[in-house]
Amino acid sequence: AQSVTQPDIHITVSEGASLELRCNYSYGATPYLFWYVQSPGQGLQLLLKYFSGDTLVQGIKGFEAEFKRSQSSFNLRKPSVHWSDAAEYFCAVGLNYGGSQGNLIFGKGTKLSVKP
Amino acid sequence: DAGITQSPRHKVTETGTPVTLRCHQTENHRYMYWYRQDPGHGLRLIHYSYGVKDTDKGEVSDGYSVSRSKTEDFLLTLESATSSQTSVYFCAISELFDYNEQFFGPGTRLTVL
Repeated sequence: AQSVTQPDIHITVSEGASLELRCNYSYGATPYLFWYVQSPGQGLQLLLKYFSGDTLVQGIKGFEAEFKRSQSSFNLRKPSVHWSDAAEYFCAVGLNYGGSQGNLIFGKGTKLSVKP
Repeated sequence: DAGITQSPRHKVTETGTPVTLRCHQTENHRYMYWYRQDPGHGLRLIHYSYGVKDTDKGEVSDGYSVSRSKTEDFLLTLESATSSQTSVYFCAISELFDYNEQFFGPGTRLTVL
């Protein structure tokens, strides 16, 4: 069955430090991959997406993610975290075949806290 | 931001009462989705629609029904609300089926007492 795993429930980093949020997926085909961010009390905002081609994708707010097929991973990175990045981050895989084509499977999320 | 509104934004109701949540979009996107978000579970798909009057079940559809009579509106109904349906409900829309990119509404916080 398709699944998305975000191993870290909660991460705390200092402002200005680098960040990497992990995401692993299980899917039988080449996936469509997404990272969303959710600020407290808000809906989800798309940070970046991978469909095909270059495995390093750039997103909004200075984020990037790298698709590694051999590791079934799509980790999110940012070189220097800002206090405003404190939020919850969700990785998702898009189903692109079969009866559920078009749907997203979400990980359980990683909550990011930023220390001053 | 995609033009998606959800109403109501907050609702408190009692067990056994019917509840309807509304999602309205101004983007003319074909696909619409209802998710619920619970701590430790991320987002889980309840139902989705791939066109007017065309809907299908998601992962956690028991106890929920949906209707879509117009492109812009997607209704989620809890026929008889239970405390386990206390959650935050998100609507999402998508235009490009093959690329799955979805845009989310602001959410509805539902409390069932």
